[in-house]
Amino acid sequence: AQSVSQHNHHVILSEAASLELGCNYSYGGTVNLFWYVQYPGQHLQLLLKYFSGDPLVKGIKGFEAEFIKSKFSFNLRKPSVQWSDTAEYFCAVIARGYQKVTFGTGTKLQVIP
Amino acid sequence: DVKVTQSSRYLVKRTGEKVFLECVQDMDHENMFWYRQDPGLGLRLIYFSYDVKMKEKGDIPEGYSVSREKKERFSLILESASTNQTSMYLCASSPNSRGQGNEAFFGQGTRLTVV
Repeated sequence: AQSVSQHNHHVILSEAASLELGCNYSYGGTVNLFWYVQYPGQHLQLLLKYFSGDPLVKGIKGFEAEFIKSKFSFNLRKPSVQWSDTAEYFCAVIARGYQKVTFGTGTKLQVIP
Repeated sequence: DVKVTQSSRYLVKRTGEKVFLECVQDMDHENMFWYRQDPGLGLRLIYFSYDVKMKEKGDIPEGYSVSREKKERFSLILESASTNQTSMYLCASSPNSRGQGNEAFFGQGTRLTVV
């Protein structure tokens, strides 16, 4: 069974700082990977996804993530965060051939103006 | 635009009550999911369904059951609510892309308090 680890539980950054959130998954086969975001009071929504091809994936609002197969990682990055990026971020994985989505424990990002 | 609608945003129920949480999606998705979201624990899968009348246990099915009589509707049932089932419950749906795995679309969530 697949599993996902997010090592940063709570991150506090000043505006314009760079962001990197870690995500590691555990599964021996091919996977699809996702980052979701939950803004305060809103529903979870997709930030970006990786299915195949270029391991550097660009998403909405200037976010990107890099799939490194050898490290089983899919870290989320943004060069310069804004106050409006304050939210909780979840990494998720689906093992190829299955439909079940497994989520990490989430990282709360607080951006200070 | 995919819409996943959960019938209630907030619910307060008494211990021992039978509780129904309803979820409807309007995009003809094959897959539907119920998660609970707790601080520090992320989203944990309770049950999912990949077709009408089909269901599979997730990671924490104890104390819950589900029903999927129609493709668009997926119900979560707490047979006898307990205080440790106080949580945010999230419903999601996704298309079945023949093994590709696809993104899930979420409802707004139901915050259930069991007193």
